[in-house]
Amino acid sequence: QAVVTQEPSLTVSPGGTVTLTCASSTGTVTSGHYPYWFQQKPGQAPRTLIYDTNKKHSWAPARFSASLLGGKAALTLSGAQPEDEADYYCFLSYSGEWVFGGGTKLTVL
Amino acid sequence: QVQLVESGGGVVQPGRSLTLSCAASEFSFSSYAMFWVRQAPGKGLEWVAFISFDGSEKFYADSVKGRFSISRDNSKNTLYLQMRSLSFEDTAVYYCGRSTDWGQGTLVTVSS
Repeated sequence: QAVVTQEPSLTVSPGGTVTLTCASSTGTVTSGHYPYWFQQKPGQAPRTLIYDTNKKHSWAPARFSASLLGGKAALTLSGAQPEDEADYYCFLSYSGEWVFGGGTKLTVL
Repeated sequence: QVQLVESGGGVVQPGRSLTLSCAASEFSFSSYAMFWVRQAPGKGLEWVAFISFDGSEKFYADSVKGRFSISRDNSKNTLYLQMRSLSFEDTAVYYCGRSTDWGQGTLVTVSS
């Protein structure tokens, strides 16, 4: 199965902007991979933040956006808040089989 | 509000079997493909299995292929995961979900 790669950790200042990326070992990430982004905080279940590349769940704050960028899926946080500190996972479809990235631990500091 | 409630987790010996259930409510369960994913202690998320809305298509991660079986009963709004030949590496919190919503998980501990 494919390998999906994310930055292991990133740090952003409060109010700052950061972009998390998600790369596929098979090549360019496209809308056909139906990229998802999950947010997970310690001790909690994961929550879908983004689905189908750039569609936001109803709970997702407006400061989050997603796109395809440079052959990868990308999640951008503009105006980081302390409550955004969490693990973020991308999730890609490969014709029925799915693969999670290793996750990015985002620190707001 | 969408509800997904997993059950059936517990402590099981290596080599034994266990079946997880996921009760769905407040949405049209029979219209949605469903997933099982898991998370070992201190580790990241791992996709386990996928089933289409009508159960006609099923896919599995290599790590569970041949040992786990996903199924659904649309008349009961329930998703299942039959797990056999369990090993220590299957110890994890198991979450069921559709594309946008997930349950709180059920813990499976494989221990002798």
